[in-house]
Amino acid sequence: DSGVTQTPKHLITATGQRVTLRCSPRSGDLSVYWYQQSLDQGLQFLIQYYNGEERAKGNILERFSAQQFPDLHSELNLSSLELGDSALYFCASSGEFNQPQHFGDGTRLSIL
Amino acid sequence: LAKTTQPISMDSYEGQEVNITCSHNNIATNDYITWYQQFPSQGPRFIIQGYKTKVTNEVASLFIPADRKSSTLSLPRVSLSDTAVYYCLVGDYNSGNTPLVFGKGTRLSVIA
Repeated sequence: DSGVTQTPKHLITATGQRVTLRCSPRSGDLSVYWYQQSLDQGLQFLIQYYNGEERAKGNILERFSAQQFPDLHSELNLSSLELGDSALYFCASSGEFNQPQHFGDGTRLSIL
Repeated sequence: LAKTTQPISMDSYEGQEVNITCSHNNIATNDYITWYQQFPSQGPRFIIQGYKTKVTNEVASLFIPADRKSSTLSLPRVSLSDTAVYYCLVGDYNSGNTPLVFGKGTRLSVIA
């Protein structure tokens, strides 16, 4: 158990819809990262938050957004969903800068 | 971020020692080397991290030569449960801006 909790585990929805994925980091971790893993693209970094503020941005689409709340949990919002958004979405958290990231077990998003 | 190159796949018999080598020719002075393990439909799991020489923990050893242009993950006496994808990553984890860049990893298959 990594200590990172992601909900829901599975999500099935239709094209054009909007979903919210939730992540609770390990206790005490200030950084939260979101990654997307698809069969053709592998694991790709989307965005990082540190103590409520956006720290780094990767290959995140404009249709996607995220935030980190005062209690440090984070949400990833995906809107105007397309078939190609079907993937596993992972959240990771870490403590201070030289500490390794610990991943949750992901949310599997299926777009029908 | 330094690019890494590792074998696409490896096979091993149970009980053998497995060594997976990763090449990172343009590693920077502040970069650390980190290895993750991933099982299907699970989040990557941190295995080991090092900067130079040798690091050992309860599951693996990491060997880094003096020039740091490569590293070797050593798994002693593998079992069937070690069948997974292993990722080598290089990055400056002291910068506070530390998204992980995953390559395709090495798919290790352990055979009985």
